[in-house]
Amino acid sequence: GEDVEQSLFLSVREGDSSVINCTYTDSSSTYLYWYKQEPGAGLQLLTYIFSNMDMKQDQRLTVLLNKKDKHLSLRIADTQTGDSAIYFCAETGGGATNKLIFGTGTLLAVQP
Amino acid sequence: DADVTQTPRNRITKTGKRIMLECSQTKGHDRMYWYRQDPGLGLRLIYYSFDVKDINKGEISDGYSVSRQAQAKFSLSLESAIPNQTALYFCAIGAGETQYFGPGTRLLVL
Repeated sequence: GEDVEQSLFLSVREGDSSVINCTYTDSSSTYLYWYKQEPGAGLQLLTYIFSNMDMKQDQRLTVLLNKKDKHLSLRIADTQTGDSAIYFCAETGGGATNKLIFGTGTLLAVQP
Repeated sequence: DADVTQTPRNRITKTGKRIMLECSQTKGHDRMYWYRQDPGLGLRLIYYSFDVKDINKGEISDGYSVSRQAQAKFSLSLESAIPNQTALYFCAIGAGETQYFGPGTRLLVL
């Protein structure tokens, strides 16, 4: 079945770059997403990428997609303490349901 | 996203009780979803609906039911709550190729 995997934790120092990685199994994924969840809050859509793209950049965020290896990454440049959160990777296959399959989330801890 | 509201935000109940979690949206989108979040498991889909007359089971629908009373409202019910339904519940709306989530309802079943 469809599966999305992420490492559980990542710790970086303030000002460094963070790279959060995700692998998925569904080769028919149409879109891939990154959501951010701050403590006690809901999920905030950060960015998403269409499966025929390799890269998408949005201010400090860079998404890289290697479709051959089914690998997605989120790079956060100049990481700030406010970036501390859980980051979820998600994918959706084709078809009308658009249901999302989520990874377990990566907790990003930014050390001052 | 402020366009999706959920009530209550927190709820404590006892085993065997019936409870309802409510979700409302202001944007008039047809697609609505209910997810459950457990530590270390990410989010899992419970039910989804594409319009008032359309209800579909997700991957973990057992023990839950839903009602789409209107385009803007999608309710999740636990007919007889059990402790392993303790979790964080999220409602989402589908807008184009994206989904936007409500703030979540934290449910504790004792």
